[in-house]
Amino acid sequence: GQQLNQSPQSMFIQEGEDVSMNCTSSSIFNTWLWYKQDPGEGPVLLIALYKAGELTSNGRLTAQFGITRKDSFLNISASIPSDVGIYFCAGDQHAGNNRKLIWGLGTSLAVNP
Amino acid sequence: EAGVAQSPRYKIIEKRQSVAFWCNPISGHATLYWYQQILGQGPKLLIQFQNNGVVDDSQLPKDRFSAERLKGVDSTLKIQPAKLEDSAVYLCASSWGAGANVLTFGAGSRLTVL
Repeated sequence: GQQLNQSPQSMFIQEGEDVSMNCTSSSIFNTWLWYKQDPGEGPVLLIALYKAGELTSNGRLTAQFGITRKDSFLNISASIPSDVGIYFCAGDQHAGNNRKLIWGLGTSLAVNP
Repeated sequence: EAGVAQSPRYKIIEKRQSVAFWCNPISGHATLYWYQQILGQGPKLLIQFQNNGVVDDSQLPKDRFSAERLKGVDSTLKIQPAKLEDSAVYLCASSWGAGANVLTFGAGSRLTVL
């Protein structure tokens, strides 16, 4: 099935560094979602974006909905060890009911204290 | 509020055996989803319920997988007979309605098929 192109696939950084990851698609999306998944847990929503060009922050996390509606990025500033995990983007193409999310393959983040 | 509850957390079976997973969504959430997540991949939707009706089961391998949500609250996902490639984490999620795209996930049930 259709999937989003998420990059990078993995990152290994030093504590305190900033992180940037992105998601791209050939299709237009109406909503972009960023989730984080810790080992042994289900994904947890970090940020939801509903409008092209929208820039939203959640603490040290900032995400943007690309103006072409075909991409989104997530930035993490001043990384800390608990940022370790897998970050997934998900896009929603439908405007009405019965929406279906399309998921990226994830970006695995490792932080060296 | 209580989160999405799933059980069992872990299950190991041999191929051709059967297994069942249970999910209790957040109270009041009308929409329930079952996802399969294979190691190193993103979640893949298996089935979506709106109350006790199926909205989307296009990616459910119906020859071996079945799911029900008889009373529109909790749900069961069954695999019979299991294959090696069914080894994955089965995630249950819920949302307040089919038009809502913000899903709350449970911790998942990890299945290993030997």
